[in-house]
Amino acid sequence: QQPVQSPQAVILREGEDAVINCSSSKALYSVHWYRQKHGEAPVFLMILLKGGEQKGHEKISASFNEKKQQSSLYLTASQLSYSGTYFCGTESAVAGGTSYGKLTFGQGTILTVHP
Amino acid sequence: DAGVIQSPRHEVTEMGQEVTLRCKPISGHNSLFWYRQTMMRGLELLIYFNNNVPIDDSGMPEDRFSAKMPNASFSTLKIQPSEPRDSAVYFCASSLALTAYQPQHFGDGTRLSIL
Repeated sequence: QQPVQSPQAVILREGEDAVINCSSSKALYSVHWYRQKHGEAPVFLMILLKGGEQKGHEKISASFNEKKQQSSLYLTASQLSYSGTYFCGTESAVAGGTSYGKLTFGQGTILTVHP
Repeated sequence: DAGVIQSPRHEVTEMGQEVTLRCKPISGHNSLFWYRQTMMRGLELLIYFNNNVPIDDSGMPEDRFSAKMPNASFSTLKIQPSEPRDSAVYFCASSLALTAYQPQHFGDGTRLSIL
C-alpha cells in the first residue's frame, strides 16, 4: 500500500523552512527519501531505519517515528536548489525483521523555492 | 564513477510494436529494480532482481511485460505488443545489496511514447 505524503505542494521563499510528512498504514522497517528535479532521475537523500532516529544532510534532516508509522523531512533555510519533487519510499516490516529492500513510493511533494 | 546507464533515452513507436528497454547497473551492485513513473500512478516498482535472479515481479502489469537479467551488468525490460497506456518514463535503479540499508541509484530513465 502506497504511503501518503503531505502536503502535496509547498511554495517557499529562499531562507524559509518546510516540513514534508510521509505516513503509512503498515508497520515500517525503513524509510528512504529522494528528490527528483523535473526531467531528471530521483536522487537519494537519506535512509532512516530506527524509530525516532533523526539523520541530517547539510540543512536537510529527517525523523522516523516507528509507533506512528511516519517520517518527516525537514528543510531548513531553503535554497533555490531545493526545488523539486520529494518522494518517500517505505519498506514494510515483515515477520522476523528480514529486509527485502522493496520500496513503495508516495505520490510526491512538489517543493518550489522562489528568490 | 559511472552511474546506472539506460538506453534509449527516448523511444517513440506505434501501438503493437515490440519495445526493448536496456539497463546497465553500477558495477558491483547486486540488486536491480525496474520502475515506471506516470502522473496518475506515480513511481511504481515493476520487478526487481538480486544476483541476476528475479525476486518479485508482482508489479508487472500484464503478460505483455517481461524482464531479464542475463548477467550482472545488463538487464532488459520488454513490452510486446505495446499499447498507448504503456507510455511513461521507465527507470532502472541498482543498489549494492538487497537490504533496507542500501540506497537505490537511479538511471536517467527512458521516456516511452506509444502512438
